[in-house]
Amino acid sequence: DTVMTQSPDSLAVSLGERATINCMSSRSVLYSSNNKSYLAWYQQKPGQPPKLLIYWASTRESGVPDRFSGSGSGTDFTLTISSLQAEDVAVYYCQQYYSNPLTFGGGTKVEIK
Amino acid sequence: QLQLQESGPGLVKPSETLSLTCTVSAGSFSSGTYYWGWIRQPPGKGLEWIGSIYYSGSTYYNPSLKSRVTISVDTSKNHFSLNLRSVTAADTALYYCARTASSPGWVDYWGQGTLVTVSS
Repeated sequence: DTVMTQSPDSLAVSLGERATINCMSSRSVLYSSNNKSYLAWYQQKPGQPPKLLIYWASTRESGVPDRFSGSGSGTDFTLTISSLQAEDVAVYYCQQYYSNPLTFGGGTKVEIK
Repeated sequence: QLQLQESGPGLVKPSETLSLTCTVSAGSFSSGTYYWGWIRQPPGKGLEWIGSIYYSGSTYYNPSLKSRVTISVDTSKNHFSLNLRSVTAADTALYYCARTASSPGWVDYWGQGTLVTVSS
C-alpha cells in the first residue's frame, strides 16, 4: 500500500494569514505517461462528509474558492490556503489514487489562532 | 444534483455481518465512467477505503478487508451494497458511500454517512 503522511497534525493560523499543509507519499504517484500526479485533497468539517477540493494535485474542483491551491509532484505535495477564513476551520486530508487500495493521509486540523 | 444515501442497521453484534445499502438518485448510476464505493471513518479518526464496484459488477477491494467484504450492485434499483462479515468492535465507524471518477480515482460525491456500532 502507498502510505500517505501529512504534517503537521494540527495548526493554528490567524484570520487572513496563510496556512500550509504537507503530504508525502511513500512512493511516487506521478504517472510518467501523462505527467500527472494522482493526488487529491479534501476538507472535512465537523458532522459532514469530506468535500473534494483539489485533484491531479493542483486542479481546483468547481466552486472551490481560489484561496485554496495545491502544488507538488511525485511524492511531496502541499495544500495552501492563502488567506484563512473562519469557514476554513476543518480537517484536511490528502489521498492518492495512483493505485489500489486508495489511501488517505491522517489528516491535518486547521484552527483559528 | 447527484445524491447518495446510506441505509442499514446502526448496531451490529460481534461476529455478525454488517450490511449497508447506498441509493443513488438524481444521476446516471449506470454511466460507464464512474465507480461506486465504500469508505469508513472510525470515530475521531481518519479515512479508510473499503472497496469499489463498477456498474457491470467488477470489484476492487482493500486487501486489508478483502477476506470479509463483498460489494454488489443492483442497477435496476439504482443502488449498491456492502456486506462486511465477522465484525468486531474495530469495525465501528461512520460508513460513507461514494462515487469516484475511475478506479482508482478521487471521490467527487459522498453520502452523509451512517454510523455503525459493533456491540453486543
